Amino acid sequence: NAGVTQTPKFRVLKTGQSMTLLCAQDMNHEYMYWYRQDPGMGLRLIHYSVGEGTTAKGEVPDGYNVSRLKKQNFLLGLESAAPSQTSVYFCASSWDRGRSPLHFGNGTRLTVT
Amino acid sequence: GENVEQHPSTLSVQEGDSAVIKCTYSDSASNYFPWYKQELGKGPQLIIDIRSNVGEKKDQRIAVTLNKTAKHFSLHITETQPEDSAVYFCAATTGGTSYGKLTFGQGTILTVHP
Repeated sequence: NAGVTQTPKFRVLKTGQSMTLLCAQDMNHEYMYWYRQDPGMGLRLIHYSVGEGTTAKGEVPDGYNVSRLKKQNFLLGLESAAPSQTSVYFCASSWDRGRSPLHFGNGTRLTVT
Repeated sequence: GENVEQHPSTLSVQEGDSAVIKCTYSDSASNYFPWYKQELGKGPQLIIDIRSNVGEKKDQRIAVTLNKTAKHFSLHITETQPEDSAVYFCAATTGGTSYGKLTFGQGTILTVHP
C-alpha cells in the first residue's frame, strides 16, 4: 500500500499562475483534508471532504478550491497564485473525522514568486 | 473556537535524557488528543494518542498524560535517541457544534545530541 501520495513534490509559480495539487489515497478512507504548513503556525486546514462529491471549508480557504470526484482523489487548486500562498501543502486522509489518526502524504513545497 | 498552545518551540537534550512537551487547549468539549512526529521532508506521522476518558497512555519510551481539569496534556519521551530528533505536534479534537475539528499546536523542534 502506498498510503497517501501527493504530486508534485516541488513547484515554483509566478504570481497569477494557476496549478492543481493532486492527492491520492489507497486506504478507502472517507475523509480527506488539505493542510498548509508555515513556520511557527503549525498545520492549518484549508479544505476537507467527508466523502466522494463533497467538500467543505476549513480555517484558511480563501484563494483555494477543491474537488473530490472520486473517493480516492482530492484535488487542491490555486486559480491565481499569490506570494502569500508560498507554503508546504499536506494532504491527509482518515476513516473518521477528527477522532482517528490522520495519514499524511509527504507534502508539496510551493513557492510563488 | 479551539485554541491549542504548545511549548517549548525548541527543545535540545542529550541522548539518554528525557524530553517533555506540553500543550494546553481551550475547549472543554475536546475529547481526542493525538501527537504527531514529523521528520525532515516527510509528512507528520501519529506516534500516540489519548482520549478524554483516559488520564495516561504509554507506548514503550513514549507516554502522554492528560489533565482535563487544567486542560493540558503532555508528551514524555524517555531515554531519548538521536532518531527522536524531529518536529512534534500536539492536536485536539472538539465535539459539540465543531464536531471532529482537529486543531494543531505550533510544533516543537526536538534535537537529541549524541
